[in-house]
Amino acid sequence: GDSVTQMEGPVTLSEEAFLTINCTYTATGYPSLFWYVQYPGEGLQLLLKATKADDKGSNKGFEATYRKETTSFHLEKGSVQVSDSAVYFCALNEWAGGYNKLIFGAGTRLAVHP
Amino acid sequence: NAGVTQTPKFRILKIGQSMTLQCTQDMNHNYMYWYRQDPGMGLKLIYYSVGAGITDKGEVPNGYNVSRSTTEDFPLRLELAAPSQTSVYFCASSTWNQPQHFGDGTRLSIL
Repeated sequence: GDSVTQMEGPVTLSEEAFLTINCTYTATGYPSLFWYVQYPGEGLQLLLKATKADDKGSNKGFEATYRKETTSFHLEKGSVQVSDSAVYFCALNEWAGGYNKLIFGAGTRLAVHP
Repeated sequence: NAGVTQTPKFRILKIGQSMTLQCTQDMNHNYMYWYRQDPGMGLKLIYYSVGAGITDKGEVPNGYNVSRSTTEDFPLRLELAAPSQTSVYFCASSTWNQPQHFGDGTRLSIL
């Protein structure tokens, strides 16, 4: 079945450092891809999305490019802030014959220190 | 603009007790979902609904029940609570082929 694999955390960075969180997927079709962020004590919020190959999703300084040839959707940010500390989930969305099925990676915890 | 609202935020149950987790959305979304999130894991789908009166099982439905009498509400019922159901529960909603919107979650402990 379809699956999503993320790099294990925690990822610990200093403020203004460059961030990369790796995400690869396995899918039989051409799913949409998402990054969700979960701040402490809150639900998941959509960070960015890409719906087809070579699309680049971007939001709040984060970006990710849908790479069909490497089945990847890595999350990047050029300069992280303490407020970016959260858990980040990569997910793919496929039509499961009745509903939109979201398949999540295990999540990567990011801690940014001043 | 409330979005998806879940109640309660926290609850402790004894083994064998029952309870209902409430979820309501004000975005007129047809699709609604219940997930559980275990420590260090991604979210697993428990049940979903494609509209009022229509529900179906997800990946991990055992021990749970749902109903969908209105577009807005999608309660999740635990009939006989077991320690394995200790988790954080998230409700979400969406329109067709659009990203899901999540509530803030219910943290449930069963002792």
